[in-house]
Parts: sequence; structure tokens; C-alpha cells
Amino acid sequence: KAGVTQTPRYLIKTRGQQVTLSCSPISGHRSVSWYQQTPGQGLQFLFEYFSETQRNKGNFPGRFSGRQFSNSRSEMNVSTLELGDSALYLCASSLDGANTGELFFGEGSRLTVL
Amino acid sequence: GDSVTQMEGPVTLSEEAFLTINCTYTATGYPSLFWYVQYPGEGLQLLLKATKADDKGSNKGFEATYRKETTSFHLEKGSVQVSDSAVYFCARMDSNYQLIWGAGTKLIIKP
Repeated sequence: KAGVTQTPRYLIKTRGQQVTLSCSPISGHRSVSWYQQTPGQGLQFLFEYFSETQRNKGNFPGRFSGRQFSNSRSEMNVSTLELGDSALYLCASSLDGANTGELFFGEGSRLTVL
Repeated sequence: GDSVTQMEGPVTLSEEAFLTINCTYTATGYPSLFWYVQYPGEGLQLLLKATKADDKGSNKGFEATYRKETTSFHLEKGSVQVSDSAVYFCARMDSNYQLIWGAGTKLIIKP
């Protein structure tokens, strides 16, 4: 069974640009959650999508957005990038929802903002 | 606010040593508790969990007991192997069904 796949794995952007990250969950999983991981703040929850609907949202500005498609693949977008957005962005899928706490993570997309 | 505190790493042990990684949490009520592990070059994966007080989660020789009196969920293993070298994260579920994570503890096992 294929795991959670995130693309791209690495990317470099400049301030003010926007970026889109993609996540393919494990087959059959309907929930996709996104996290930001930084050395200073650790793992922070961005949002969860379940069957194409945003089910939960963390405390991030509106520049961070996401969506989920009918095949459960998800994308997250960050607009007007700031230096502080440099981080590892992790996607996690879950069969029954992130509220179970049983998440399967991808390896992440490492974003560097210059 | 809600938080999870883990012992700072790195923790360096010799093979076959006994392992304890401390984890304490703040909470109202009795949240579900989790340990996740991140092996080098891999994504985070659930190691074990406990959903109510006095529950013991176990997997791959690791154990953790939900202690409501001390609000702790310490991870233990009786005899570690080099292959256990990884970063370990403690987490708890909050009232909004989001996971609150500890900072992670890097474990290094020397042969």
C-alpha cells in the first residue's frame, strides 16, 4: 500500500511569491491534515480536510489556504510569502479523521523563502 | 493554554540500555495521548496511544502509561537497539480535536 506522497520535496521561493504544495493520501483515506514544522514552534496544525470540506482550522493567517479534491488529494497554498514561512510542511492522512489522532504522515515539503 | 512538554534531547544511550523519555501535559479533562516516532528519512508514524486514564499503550517493545495523577505519559523501553534511533514526539488531543505536540526528543543509540 503506497504511503502519503508530498510534492515537491524541496522548493525555494522569494518573499511575496506564492506556493502550492500537493499531498496524495493513502488510498481510501478521506481525511488530509496539514502541519507546519519549524525549529522554534515545532509542529503546528494548519487545517484538516475531510471529503472535500474543511473540517478544522488552526491559528494561521488567511494567506494559508487549502483544498481537497474528490479523489482526496489535497493542496495547500501560501500567498505573499514571508521569510517566516520557511518550514517543513507535513501532510497527514487518516482513514476516519484527524480526531482519532491516528495519522499517517508524508515526508514533507521543505520550503525556503529568501 | 494546552501544552505538551518533553525532555530535551538528544538522549544518547548504549545498545540494550533502558530508555525513558518523559512527557507531561496540561489539560482539562482526560485527553487521548500519543507517541509518534520519526525515523531518519521517513515520515512521522504513530507508535502507541492511550485514550483513558491508567491505559497502557504498547508497540515494538515500547510502553507508555496514562497517569492522570501526574499528567504524564512517559515512554519506556527495556532494551533499546540501534534501530530505535529516531526523534520521538509526544502529543495530546485538544478539545477542538487537534493534536498538540511536544517539541520532540532525539534518541541516539550507540552500538
